[in-house]
Amino acid sequence: GQQVMQIPQYQHVQEGEDFTTYCNSSTTLSNIQWYKQRPGGHPVFLIQLVKSGEVKKQKRLTFQFGEAKKNSSLHITATQTTDVGTYFCRRSGGSNYKLTFGKGTLLTVNP
Amino acid sequence: NAGVTQTPKFQVLKTGQSMTLQCAQDMNHNSMYWYRQDPGMGLRLIYYSASEGTTDKGEVPNGYNVSRLNKREFSLRLESAAPSQTSVYFCASTTGDNTEAFFGQGTRLTVV
Repeated sequence: GQQVMQIPQYQHVQEGEDFTTYCNSSTTLSNIQWYKQRPGGHPVFLIQLVKSGEVKKQKRLTFQFGEAKKNSSLHITATQTTDVGTYFCRRSGGSNYKLTFGKGTLLTVNP
Repeated sequence: NAGVTQTPKFQVLKTGQSMTLQCAQDMNHNSMYWYRQDPGMGLRLIYYSASEGTTDKGEVPNGYNVSRLNKREFSLRLESAAPSQTSVYFCASTTGDNTEAFFGQGTRLTVV
């Protein structure tokens, strides 16, 4: 199946530092979604990007969709300990309805 | 509104035992999914059901079977559990392909 590649796999930051995770595809995406999974929890939807070059913000989180719709990024400004968790991107599966997730980026924050 | 409910939350099996993981959603969603999550491997799709009456294999279907009992319920069965099936299992549902996925709380399964 068509995969999305996420980098980095792990990121450790000091509280207050910025963080970015990237999601890349070899094919054009119709949309991209981002999810957050807290330690011991389940993935929770954050946002969906649909348009080429789209940028959306949620407080300290900034989501971008590339102009070619083949990549996306999630940027967190001034991380806090509440940001700890794994961030996943998900591409739509097309006509076969598969939900294909990236492997995720595990963010840890040192207070 | 409970969303997606998975049972049980925890389970320990002996090698060779069978069990069924239950999943139910009350959001009238068409599509349902089963994932397993292992460290460093992300969410890997086991089986999915695009709509009531249909099921299809995902990335890692071997050793599993599923049943879409009705629109609400989608169960995952392990006929003969193996230690390699020790994992956290998540059920998810969506109204369609381009919509938000809702996840259950997960089932933590250990096979000894």
